[in-house]
Amino acid sequence: DTEVTQTPKHLVMGMTNKKSLKCEQHMGHRAMYWYKQKAKKPPELMFVYSYEKLSINESVPSRFSPECPNSSLLNLHLHALQPEDSALYLCASSQEAGAEAFFGQGTRLTVV
Amino acid sequence: RKEVEQDPGPFNVPEGATVAFNCTYSNSASQSFFWYRQDCRKEPKLLMSVYSSGNEDGRFTAQLNRASQYISLLIRDSKLSDSATYLCVVNLVGGKLIFGQGTELSVKP
Repeated sequence: DTEVTQTPKHLVMGMTNKKSLKCEQHMGHRAMYWYKQKAKKPPELMFVYSYEKLSINESVPSRFSPECPNSSLLNLHLHALQPEDSALYLCASSQEAGAEAFFGQGTRLTVV
Repeated sequence: RKEVEQDPGPFNVPEGATVAFNCTYSNSASQSFFWYRQDCRKEPKLLMSVYSSGNEDGRFTAQLNRASQYISLLIRDSKLSDSATYLCVVNLVGGKLIFGQGTELSVKP
């Protein structure tokens, strides 16, 4: 089973809302990632968790707040987003940080 | 210089053609390398890892040249179903998996 599950699949939120994206994997992977992808562009790395600790933050604005409650779950808390934050948010996991990563289907986020 | 750079696309090829993609990376300490494919409005899917000795999976061959800091992907006997965007991914250091810009491949009948 190489499945990474993301919820919700689609999300529309206002600029004053607070919402959370969720990601789950049951492959026993110890690294999990958040990426942001705009149309016609490659995924851009946002955060990396390794063994439930934040190991990489690619200078992401504080309106994005990651959380890793346990080794299977990864959340991305969203607050006071801007319309330009509208994108596909992809979660991935790998056995160890830097190993081959498997992606969820993504959450398509629209900020209005 | 970008950390990971790929051939610009798009590549438009007829069925049965052989097509090659290249990707260069900036950090000589990079540790692992991958090719992914991404279909329109879908997530990236792992195509193959790239090993120092080169590796082959059916019609796909991946090569790594550490001295010149590039990886390549060769697709032989292209099929219509190979049409997608191909992305190289490099583990720069410490789990920082960075994507190249991607190369769009369109295989025509």
